[in-house]
Amino acid sequence: RKEVEQDPGPFNVPEGATVAFNCTYSNSASQSFFWYRQDCRKEPKLLMSVYSSGNEDGRFTAQLNRASQYISLLIRDSKLSDSATYLCVVKDNYGQNFVFGPGTRLSVLP
Amino acid sequence: DGGITQSPKYLFRKEGQNVTLSCEQNLNHDAMYWYRQDPGQGLRLIYYSQIVNDFQKGDIAEGYSVSREKKESFPLTVTSAQKNPTAFYLCASSSRASGETQYFGPGTRLLVL
Repeated sequence: RKEVEQDPGPFNVPEGATVAFNCTYSNSASQSFFWYRQDCRKEPKLLMSVYSSGNEDGRFTAQLNRASQYISLLIRDSKLSDSATYLCVVKDNYGQNFVFGPGTRLSVLP
Repeated sequence: DGGITQSPKYLFRKEGQNVTLSCEQNLNHDAMYWYRQDPGQGLRLIYYSQIVNDFQKGDIAEGYSVSREKKESFPLTVTSAQKNPTAFYLCASSSRASGETQYFGPGTRLLVL
């Protein structure tokens, strides 16, 4: 089983749609969680950290369920500019490695 | 401006040749990382360094070497032992002060001639 798994995608949605991405992780010692976005042929950029109580940043909402070892990202009112690959990232506090999921590609269509 | 720089943007390697990819950061981060990304794939860790003069192998270190002589610099050498080096190479850095968030450089695309 892979350490971090994500919805395989791609997701093709119309502008204005709400879309949710799911991510599961296998290491119960994981303590830090992030969502990054990566545009085609570019470096990943931090979208948001994920906190235990869940957190929201504008149209983006991240949730963490430690019991189920599950992270989600919700994008409301999708924009064309949201088209990218979304990477789920987890880190434990014992090792120093960040483990990346394979990513889920989103295409927002006009 | 603070950030991470990588050079060159594109690099061509001949068979049997060693090439070195540069990574420099002025964020005063302690930890630095090298990843490899193949088309349509996730990031795989090659090497990482938590402190100057110390580094550890990641998941796919074979055929690669690194050094960490300065806090700001973490160059990656792709040796001739790496038989399939064509990929997108990403350097990142992080620190406890930044909440352990990783910041990435713009990447180097390595192609084999």
